[in-house]
Amino acid sequence: GAVVSQHPSWVICKSGTSVKIECRSLDFQATTMFWYRQFPKQSLMLMATSNEGSKATYEQGVEKDKFLINHASLTLSTLTVTSAHPEDSSFYICSAYPGQGSSYEQYFGPGTRLTVT
Amino acid sequence: AQTVTQSQPEMSVQEAETVTLSCTYDTSESNYYLFWYKQPPSRQMILVIRQEAYKQQNATENRFSVNFQKAAKSFSLKISDSQLGDTAMYFCAFMKRSGSEKLVFGKGTKLTVNP
Repeated sequence: GAVVSQHPSWVICKSGTSVKIECRSLDFQATTMFWYRQFPKQSLMLMATSNEGSKATYEQGVEKDKFLINHASLTLSTLTVTSAHPEDSSFYICSAYPGQGSSYEQYFGPGTRLTVT
Repeated sequence: AQTVTQSQPEMSVQEAETVTLSCTYDTSESNYYLFWYKQPPSRQMILVIRQEAYKQQNATENRFSVNFQKAAKSFSLKISDSQLGDTAMYFCAFMKRSGSEKLVFGKGTKLTVNP
């Protein structure tokens, strides 16, 4: 149980276009979902926190107009990178949090590699 | 704000031996959780072990155990009988018990298990 999927696993897009990444909790409902960015050989950097039905909370320094997050249901959150540029190329990871009954464990998706050409 | 420090960027160990990864953290909170996550080359984050701050007993999960020193704000991970599959990045993480449940990660330690 407690599986989180991400789609796509790898995407290549051209500079100036937008790309959407989906994060789904497959067998549980997630009260909160988190989006992280990870550069090679570095740690995970939290970008934003999203709760179902409300606006995402962005971390300091993250452009909310560039990284649009929609938490449409208790099992789906999407991250849209708008007007992508090569510097947006990175590995994006989501995690889903079922609530305190999970002993505070977050479940991570397998990640999405974004390459902007 | 909370910070997590992992002072060992890289470590290596021989198969079947024991290795300890260090982690220190800084917080003014009294109720929190600490985690060790493993990220193998596949990059899937896997929970290794968790510790509740209000519990004095150190958590153990099979070959993995922690040494939690609350006063010293130290949370080290011991891997016994190291296996080739333990080769991965290991991240120490902190979460406040109440609030946004955000994880604060350390920079990670790259562990290589040699045959």
